[in-house]
Amino acid sequence: DTGVSQDPRHKITKRGQNVTFRCDPISEHNRLYWYRQTLGQGPEFLTYFQNEAQLEKSRLLSDRFSAERPKGSFSTLEIQRTEQGDSAMYLCASSLASAGRNEQFFGPGTRLTVL
Amino acid sequence: TQLLEQSPQFLSIQEGENLTVYCNSSSVFSSLQWYRQEPGEGPVLLVTVVTGGEVKKLKRLTFQFGDARKDSSLHITAAQTGDTGLYLCAGYGGGTSYGKLTFGQGTILTVHP
Repeated sequence: DTGVSQDPRHKITKRGQNVTFRCDPISEHNRLYWYRQTLGQGPEFLTYFQNEAQLEKSRLLSDRFSAERPKGSFSTLEIQRTEQGDSAMYLCASSLASAGRNEQFFGPGTRLTVL
Repeated sequence: TQLLEQSPQFLSIQEGENLTVYCNSSSVFSSLQWYRQEPGEGPVLLVTVVTGGEVKKLKRLTFQFGDARKDSSLHITAAQTGDTGLYLCAGYGGGTSYGKLTFGQGTILTVHP
């Protein structure tokens, strides 16, 4: 049973550097989501894909953030010119789209620290 | 903007006690999910409730969805130290978004031996 995987698990970078995270969803799931979570808070939605189409983006997703899911399988989230405020846990989730339920299964997250 | 208010934010109890966590919103959701999260890990799905008034039980955990599908509760009977963690409620569907989950801020539960 292969769940959602994320790589890397931890990333430390200096302010101004670019970082890229990868997410591999559960294989039969057609939807993939990115969330951001800071300490003591619930996850906040960033963006989601259905197959390869990016269907929704949060206002939290500034121009420095870009996400792709080129073949409808894995996804990448890139942050350009990182800032200290980008330090957070970045969570990926996947689901099989259906009306009314949308049970999302999360990966272990990537912890980003910007120095 | 959909908001989920979760209470209490912190809960510290002794093993064997009962507790209830509440999740309230002014918005109607198509479904509501409860997750448990350990430090440094992603949330793990516990249950999904879909129908207004629905009650689901998972061993010592009882989940209820409000009749109007705006609120939910999680009740734990005879808490154990292994129940310690962050409990999150998340609403799906409603308004104009049919993709994202809207999360509450979470309840940090600590069960002391």
